[in-house]
Amino acid sequence: AQKVTQAQTEISVVEKEDVTLDCVYETRDTTYYLFWYKQPPSGELVFLIRRNSFDEQNEISGRYSWNFQKSTSSFNFTITASQVVDSAVYFCALSEGFNQAGTALIFGKGTTLSVSS
Amino acid sequence: NAGVTQTPKFQVLKTGQSMTLQCAQDMNHEYMSWYRQDPGMGLRLIHYSVGAGITDQGEVPNGYNVSRSTTEDFPLRLLLAAPSQTSVYFCASRMTGSTNTEAFFGQGTRLTVV
Repeated sequence: AQKVTQAQTEISVVEKEDVTLDCVYETRDTTYYLFWYKQPPSGELVFLIRRNSFDEQNEISGRYSWNFQKSTSSFNFTITASQVVDSAVYFCALSEGFNQAGTALIFGKGTTLSVSS
Repeated sequence: NAGVTQTPKFQVLKTGQSMTLQCAQDMNHEYMSWYRQDPGMGLRLIHYSVGAGITDQGEVPNGYNVSRSTTEDFPLRLLLAAPSQTSVYFCASRMTGSTNTEAFFGQGTRLTVV
């Protein structure tokens, strides 16, 4: 069965600090996809990144970076020089299978990040 | 380019009432799903559909019905609303098959059952 664990329920940092959000996943499939979503206080869900199981390259997008390590089943998300606008709930999600319909995204419980000025 | 549209955005129901949450997408996605979000629980899958005429249960299906008569629409029905169904509901769609993309979400429906 698939499972996503975000052990950090809440994190509080001061602006300009770096912060890492942890995500650990469980799956029996060799092909799977990992995602991060952001939910700002306004409530919508904003897609941040998708990574497939065959691509372990780390990715950087501006102040955001992602570290995918299959050996530890982790897909961690780092925000460099955090800003108040980064305050949100962040969800990690997992989807199994390739070339299959009906593959649900299974979400972790989310990490609430609060960035103060 | 509407994406995924959910209506209504807010709803208050009395215990025992029924209602339908509407969801429509204009991206021709085969896969659609409903989630509920509760504090500290993340998003939990209620029902999903892999195409018109095909639906299946997710993690928390009890108390909810769905149907998928067209590719575009995937309504969620609460038959006998209960206070435990107070939640924020999200509809999502995604392209599946050879390109397993991210899910696109509607804006959410905040439902309160009193």
